[in-house]
Amino acid sequence: DIQMTQSPSSLSASVGDRVTITCRASQSIYKYLNWYQQKPGKAPNLLIHAASSLQSGVPSRFSGSGSGTDFTLTISSLQPEDFATYYCQQSYSTPPTFGQGTKVETK
Amino acid sequence: QLQLQESGPGLGKPSETLSLTCTVSGGSISSTTYYWGWIRQPPGKGLEWIGTIYYSGSTFYNPSLKSRVTISVDTSRNQFSLKLSSVTAADTAVYYCARLYGYSYGYSDYWGQGTLVTVSS
Repeated sequence: DIQMTQSPSSLSASVGDRVTITCRASQSIYKYLNWYQQKPGKAPNLLIHAASSLQSGVPSRFSGSGSGTDFTLTISSLQPEDFATYYCQQSYSTPPTFGQGTKVETK
Repeated sequence: QLQLQESGPGLGKPSETLSLTCTVSGGSISSTTYYWGWIRQPPGKGLEWIGTIYYSGSTFYNPSLKSRVTISVDTSRNQFSLKLSSVTAADTAVYYCARLYGYSYGYSDYWGQGTLVTVSS
């Protein structure tokens, strides 16, 4: 299985901050990388697929980049509703695997 | 608007078989573009893909669970189901059904709300 490692595991930030989360794959996954946001008690919500394609309805302050083994999710200006846990997922090979999550907390 | 809804018992005993159903509304499960899957999340932990089914009945399972998992589809009811046998406490989790785009391990663009299944004697 392809291992996905996110960093950091948690971070503290304030409204308006620029936030960056990193995801690394144990082997090349080209651009088969997706990002989800999950709030407590809710299902994950797809933010970005294919490393950089913004899912319909997702605010443009979210962006993704990277290819191969290293990927980044950036929130350009953190909003109150963005405090949540973020997961990366590879969809290059089966079984699809997720990172362990990054919790974005209020500073 | 597509909606997915999980249903099934919230409590099971060790060694029993866990059975859940996902009902899809607002769209057809027989679409050729999508696959339908189950993903779980133990309390306070990360996400694990269980398996996926295509409307034709083709199935794809996580090798780590393959010996215990059966996923089936009922296109007439727009539903698909999960059976997980020989459960233990380690199978306690929120179980989500989801729509997967394009292939059996594509990204999940629609999710059910999730249902907590607790395995306990």
